[in-house]
Amino acid sequence: DAGITQSPRYKITETGRQVTLMCHQTWSHSYMFWYRQDLGHGLRLIYYSAAADITDKGEVPDGYVVSRSKTENFPLTLESATRSQTSVYFCASMAGTGIQANEKLFFGSGTQLSVL
Amino acid sequence: AQSVTQLDSHVSVSEGTPVLLRCNYSSSYSPSLFWYVQHPNKGLQLLLKYTSAATLVKGINGFEAEFKKSETSFHLTKPSAHMSDAAEYFCVVSAGNTGKLIFGQGTTLQVKP
Repeated sequence: DAGITQSPRYKITETGRQVTLMCHQTWSHSYMFWYRQDLGHGLRLIYYSAAADITDKGEVPDGYVVSRSKTENFPLTLESATRSQTSVYFCASMAGTGIQANEKLFFGSGTQLSVL
Repeated sequence: AQSVTQLDSHVSVSEGTPVLLRCNYSSSYSPSLFWYVQHPNKGLQLLLKYTSAATLVKGINGFEAEFKKSETSFHLTKPSAHMSDAAEYFCVVSAGNTGKLIFGQGTTLQVKP
């Protein structure tokens, strides 16, 4: 079935290690997003992308790197993981913006990341 | 820059009574506004969205929200709460056509029998 998938579902790593979270969508949606969800903070936008090869910072980009070489993939890399990056990470996609577009987010199931 | 503030982190109501979840926004552009719901251990679901058409927006499960530009508010309401409404609710603002979507901190809705 078409959809948006994240992997891995759970990840435990150590401080200082590099970690990559994967996100894949099959709808050819233009927009893709990475959010982290922490108690008391809701969902905070890390990075987003309007199209392949176009990415932009969100609210909390420090310590993260993204790329979008293909429309369907939007990996998120923690270059040197820190304990403060322990969180649940959600990837999302959206077809477009504006009244005519279907401005609706479709979310992956999330990745629960623990940095020890 | 846009931002959104949910005025209550936790709201508790009795089943059958009205629900009010408050949201104020700030945006340099004419905003699109959304409410999403997250049930425990489940994904996020779109409840409703405002995109400069009617100011009163009806969503799923009996929820509705009213866009008030003068008050920069987009409060979510439901006439009668049901136990299944217990969840986390997020107000979201979109900045024009940038695609950047900012979530509020969330409001936990508790529904008591």
